Amino acid sequence: DTEVTQTPKHLVMGMTNKKSLKCEQHMGHRAMYWYKQKAKKPPELMFVYSYEKLSINESVPSRFSPECPNSSLLNLHLHALQPEDSALYLCASSYGLAGVYEQYFGPGTRLTVT
Amino acid sequence: SQQGEEDPQALSIQEGENATMNCSYKTSINNLQWYRQNSGRGLVHLILIRSNEREKHSGRLRVTLDTSKKSSSLLITASRAADTASYFCATDAGGAQKLVFGQGTRLTINP
Repeated sequence: DTEVTQTPKHLVMGMTNKKSLKCEQHMGHRAMYWYKQKAKKPPELMFVYSYEKLSINESVPSRFSPECPNSSLLNLHLHALQPEDSALYLCASSYGLAGVYEQYFGPGTRLTVT
Repeated sequence: SQQGEEDPQALSIQEGENATMNCSYKTSINNLQWYRQNSGRGLVHLILIRSNEREKHSGRLRVTLDTSKKSSSLLITASRAADTASYFCATDAGGAQKLVFGQGTRLTINP
């Protein structure tokens, strides 16, 4: 199974809501990533988890809170988002270091903040 | 920050023609990867080339790397409509734990 799954596919939320994005992989990968992508732009790295520990936070606002409950799951908790946070949120995983191994991406969650 | 620059930003060709995309980067790297993204979907890994390699092939794809010029190219031969997508290069210039993506080339294959 070389698939990364993400739920939900689409999410519309108000600025006062709390929601979570979920990502799952069963490839035994030890590194997992969250990216944010705006239209016609490249993915921007948000967080890196390595062996279930947060190893990189790219100065992401605290209204985004990542969580890695186990080696197969990655969550992104959302609270008090702004309309400019509307984007495609991509999860990815890799066997090891990002620069050395290919990353497998999920299909993304299209988030709209109203 | 995104330090990769891709050229051209958009490319439109006829089916059956070859498509060439270029990527330049600013700092030294160990590896460079190419990814494809169909509209609104996740990225798919195409090929990884190491800094000590000059050329790599995978099916209809040919990637070259010139570390002296800090540039790479992706050639897709005998293009098909299904090749319509955005193509991104990504390097480990930011450190081994993360990829830095270029701005991407939007490729359109016309039937």
